[in-house]
Amino acid sequence: KAGVTQTPRYLIKTRGQQVTLSCSPISGHRSVSWYQQTPGQGLQFLFEYFSETQRNKGNFPGRFSGRQFSNSRSEMNVSTLELGDSALYLCASSPQGSYEQYFGPGTRLTVT
Amino acid sequence: SQKIEQNSEALNIQEGKTATLTCNYTNYSPAYLQWYRQDPGRGPVFLLLIRENEKEKRKERLKVTFDTTLKQSLFHITASQPADSATYLCALYNSGTYKYIFGTGTRLKVLA
Repeated sequence: KAGVTQTPRYLIKTRGQQVTLSCSPISGHRSVSWYQQTPGQGLQFLFEYFSETQRNKGNFPGRFSGRQFSNSRSEMNVSTLELGDSALYLCASSPQGSYEQYFGPGTRLTVT
Repeated sequence: SQKIEQNSEALNIQEGKTATLTCNYTNYSPAYLQWYRQDPGRGPVFLLLIRENEKEKRKERLKVTFDTTLKQSLFHITASQPADSATYLCALYNSGTYKYIFGTGTRLKVLA
């Protein structure tokens, strides 16, 4: 089976812009979670989607949003980018009934 | 608030020795505890999951223990190899909130 894929892998944006990141989970996985990883904070949970519904949300401002499509693919959007949003954004999928997470390679976002 | 602590300092160990990494948590009663490996510039890779009612889990050269009284997990790599050099992350899962919380990781370097 193909692993979790994320596009794009690298992105450079300017403050104030918005960005959309995409994640395709492993085939058959219906749960998709998003994380932000920075050197100082480690992995911070953003949100989780299951069957197109947001099941949980971390402590991030409303500028961070996401959605999941009927084919389980997920997108994450960040509006009004700030310098502090520079990070590695990771997507992970899980098979139903399992608590193992399978991560993608991440999208490295740099905000200038 | 819920907190996970892993040794932030890097752990250097000689090849062939057993590496032991620690994960401590507070204000939390996780149903599951997981360990992941992360290489630079890549997403974490799932290694092992241990349930709250399990004391120990093994997989090849890896062993995880889970002490819910001490609120601690130990992760052991026996007969360590330079290829084991990576950052190891501990994660707790709360099945009630569908939320994972990750530690900041411990960097392991196995010296040849």
